[in-house]
Amino acid sequence: DQQVKQNSPSLSVQEGRISILNCDYTNSMFDYFLWYKKYPAEGPTFLISISSIKDKNEDGRFTVFLNKSAKHLSLHIVPSQPGDSAVYFCAASVRYNTDKLIFGTGTRLQVFP
Amino acid sequence: DAGVIQSPRHEVTEMGQEVTLRCKPISGHNSLFWYRQTMMRGLELLIYFNNNVPIDDSGMPEDRFSAKMPNASFSTLKIQPSEPRDSAVYFCASIQGAGNTIYFGEGSWLTVV
Repeated sequence: DQQVKQNSPSLSVQEGRISILNCDYTNSMFDYFLWYKKYPAEGPTFLISISSIKDKNEDGRFTVFLNKSAKHLSLHIVPSQPGDSAVYFCAASVRYNTDKLIFGTGTRLQVFP
Repeated sequence: DAGVIQSPRHEVTEMGQEVTLRCKPISGHNSLFWYRQTMMRGLELLIYFNNNVPIDDSGMPEDRFSAKMPNASFSTLKIQPSEPRDSAVYFCASIQGAGNTIYFGEGSWLTVV
């Protein structure tokens, strides 16, 4: 069973608007969450993270929100740019143990002009 | 600085043949991971090493898969015999200490026909 789920395989957003990527998890022991971005023919790269003691973390145009009661997190990109077009993976771990990251299936974001 | 280096980038092989994927982690990183990316399951952790010692191989799908890390700068993932369902992108990643960012290689695209 997938412990980390990204139910939207793809998302298309116009440049300048907000992109919202969603992620749900089932394991209540998860306390550290990350988003990775992957361009074609490249490996995933770390984007932003959040620990369970927070409900929001912001880094420039990227903000991650965590709703622990709903076991849900989301990544907001504002404003979206064409260069943001990539696959975004949500990942989770227990006790900051990045040795055991559990990844979702990814969401392909396309930002069009 | 060089990132995680993987080879080959692309491999097409016939069912039943042996496949060996190679990885050179970032110098100084003490943990190495092998992940597999598929559409259905996203990024799955196959195995990880810490200080060249296999720590968790519970993600290795079956006995046809094996991984070695003879020294701190080299690891292999071998599939023997290969099957069409092994077709995927295999990523190697490394990290310097748990809790830090994982760095991925560019991946090895495997197609088994």
